[in-house]
Amino acid sequence: SQQGEEDPQALSIQEGENATMNCSYKTSINNLQWYRQNSGRGLVHLILIRSNEREKHSGRLRVTLDTSKKSSSLLITASRAADTASYFCATGANSKLTFGKGITLSVRP
Amino acid sequence: DAGITQSPRHKVTETGTPVTLRCHQTENHRYMYWYRQDPGHGLRLIHYSYGVKDTDKGEVSDGYSVSRSKTEDFLLTLESATSSQTSVYFCAIITFPYGYTFGSGTRLTVV
Repeated sequence: SQQGEEDPQALSIQEGENATMNCSYKTSINNLQWYRQNSGRGLVHLILIRSNEREKHSGRLRVTLDTSKKSSSLLITASRAADTASYFCATGANSKLTFGKGITLSVRP
Repeated sequence: DAGITQSPRHKVTETGTPVTLRCHQTENHRYMYWYRQDPGHGLRLIHYSYGVKDTDKGEVSDGYSVSRSKTEDFLLTLESATSSQTSVYFCAIITFPYGYTFGSGTRLTVV
């Protein structure tokens, strides 16, 4: 069964807008990671946040983690058409990653 | 993807036949994983390995077996393929502290 659940399932925004995606999980974790998958391709690691961290930045990405609420959010600022993809959160524990079902992001030019 | 390759990329097989998928890495990573990806389910862990001859089951291991006789290769075998095993299979290596690196996937169709 999935550990992480993303919300919303699908998101459509205009280029230049910010995209916010949320992830909730159920059990204790060591870290939480976000991945992107372009159509027909493998998953690409975006960012990792450890359980003792609250916020992390990487370029246009900002991820937050609230372990008390067992939730995380991924913010993509100033979105581009090339950001169109599926995004997955994954929770890490005991050297294994458990993935959510993903969010489909469409960025309209 | 750098350092990890999967073969074949595509395969069509008949129900009841054995199938072996190969994952090869060149970076001497200890941990290797097999996932399957299906619409509506995301990625689910099949089996993983934490060293040569050291493997363990994931959440959807029924009908699958794995072997790791050397560090660089992790094989996934479907002993008798069924239509429910039609899926896209991904291999991954764990690259601390940056997360997982995935292969490009194998699209398997069981007819």
